[in-house]
Amino acid sequence: GAVVSQHPSWVICKSGTSVKIECRSLDFQATTMFWYRQFPKQSLMLMATSNEGSKATYEQGVEKDKFLINHASLTLSTLTVTSAHPEDSSFYICSARGGGNPMNTEAFFGQGTRLTVV
Amino acid sequence: AQTVTQSQPEMSVQEAETVTLSCTYDTSESDYYLFWYKQPPSRQMILVIRQEAYKQQNATENRFSVNFQKAAKSFSLKISDSQLGDAAMYFCACGAGSYQLTFGKGTKLSVIP
Repeated sequence: GAVVSQHPSWVICKSGTSVKIECRSLDFQATTMFWYRQFPKQSLMLMATSNEGSKATYEQGVEKDKFLINHASLTLSTLTVTSAHPEDSSFYICSARGGGNPMNTEAFFGQGTRLTVV
Repeated sequence: AQTVTQSQPEMSVQEAETVTLSCTYDTSESDYYLFWYKQPPSRQMILVIRQEAYKQQNATENRFSVNFQKAAKSFSLKISDSQLGDAAMYFCACGAGSYQLTFGKGTKLSVIP
């Protein structure tokens, strides 16, 4: 299957600072990327959907000014957690899908990023 | 919008035996697809199997197969000849449209040697 690389795999930051997480599709062009958040022992919750060159679509309850998503190229999307607070500590996962019929194309997941805000 | 329900928070199976994980879903879409993902301790999401809703035939991938009951909106996963490496969290997911996936809460599968 295709490879999606997420970086960093883990990060610790101080409260009030910003953290950027990168999601790269290594061997295909990702027209759509998704960002999920996973709390310990819980399921993945979709935060936002981004299409290359367009503004991200955020799910209800997700603060777009806090979780900045950029999808400037077909191989890279970034999630920036601004003014991070301890409650933002979580596991963040991206997934990427190429073009074509969504019914026939698979979404591939990155390895995830564990964010700890202290 | 979709909802996905996994009613078994934890399951266990003896090595080499068969186990079935349950999943029910609800969606207003006519075209949709269903997935089972495996999440081992590494947290990497691994696609186990997928099923297109328009296909009546149940999907199979080696030791993994599904029982897709469209009218009942049921999508169970059967793992045959369970192996130690099958131990993980298993998430059922439903997707439609732009491929946004809605996940169930997961089932933690333990494999007993």
